[in-house]
Amino acid sequence: SYVLTQPPSVSVAPGQTARIPCGENNIGSKNVHWYRQKPGQAPVLVVYNDSDRPSGIPERFSGAKSGNTATLTISRVEAGDEADYYCQVWDGSSNQAPFGGGTKLTVL
Amino acid sequence: EVQLVESGGGLVQPGGSLRLSCAASGFAFSNYEMNWVRQAPGKGLEWVSVIYTSGRTTYYADSVKGRFTISRDNTKNSLYLQMNSLRVEDTAVYYCARGLYCTSLSCFGNWFDPWGQGTRVTVSS
Repeated sequence: SYVLTQPPSVSVAPGQTARIPCGENNIGSKNVHWYRQKPGQAPVLVVYNDSDRPSGIPERFSGAKSGNTATLTISRVEAGDEADYYCQVWDGSSNQAPFGGGTKLTVL
Repeated sequence: EVQLVESGGGLVQPGGSLRLSCAASGFAFSNYEMNWVRQAPGKGLEWVSVIYTSGRTTYYADSVKGRFTISRDNTKNSLYLQMNSLRVEDTAVYYCARGLYCTSLSCFGNWFDPWGQGTRVTVSS
C-alpha cells in the first residue's frame, strides 16, 4: 500500500517559516494535497495539486515538490497556524487515497 | 453555501451495524465523487471509501473492505455508509468529503473539499 511519511511534529517561532515535508518514493508522479486541522474541527484544504491555493487561504501557505518529497511551507507563522497538517494523494494503482500520518505544528 | 452535514453516528456493540448519512447542499451533487474519511481518537486521518458520480463504481480501504458499503442517492443529494460487523477499531469520527468533479467530458480535482463536521461512531460493549 502507498505510505506517505510526515514528521510527527514541527516547531517554529512566530514570524519564522515552517516547512512540513511529506515523502514517498513515487510522489513525483502524483498530485499532493494538504489539509489543516485545528482541535475539534474538520480538516480544511490549504494546498491542492502540489502548489495551488484555494480561495480564502493566505498567500503565506505554499506547496512544492522535489524528488521524493512534497513540502508545505508556511511563511511568517502566526499563533493561529498551530494545528495538525496532513498530506494526501490519490493512488490510481490501488484506487485509494492515503493520507500522511500528520504533523503537529507548534508555534513557540 | 456549499455544505455537508453528517448524521447517524452513535454507540454500537461489536459485531453490530450502523448507517451513516451525509446531506449535501449548495452544489451539483451528482457531478462530484464523494468520500468518507475517518479519524480514530487521537489519531490521524484515514480514507475509508469513494463513490463515483453514477454510484456504480466504489472503492474501499483494505481495513473496511467487505464490511462497509458506500452508496448515494443523487435525487436526494445524499451519501451513505452502511457499516456492518463493526469492530472496536472502527471507533472514530466519520467525515464525508467532496472529491473529484466530473462532467461528461472529463474529471478533475481529486482533493477533498469541503468536509462535513463529522459524526462520532463508538464501538464498545
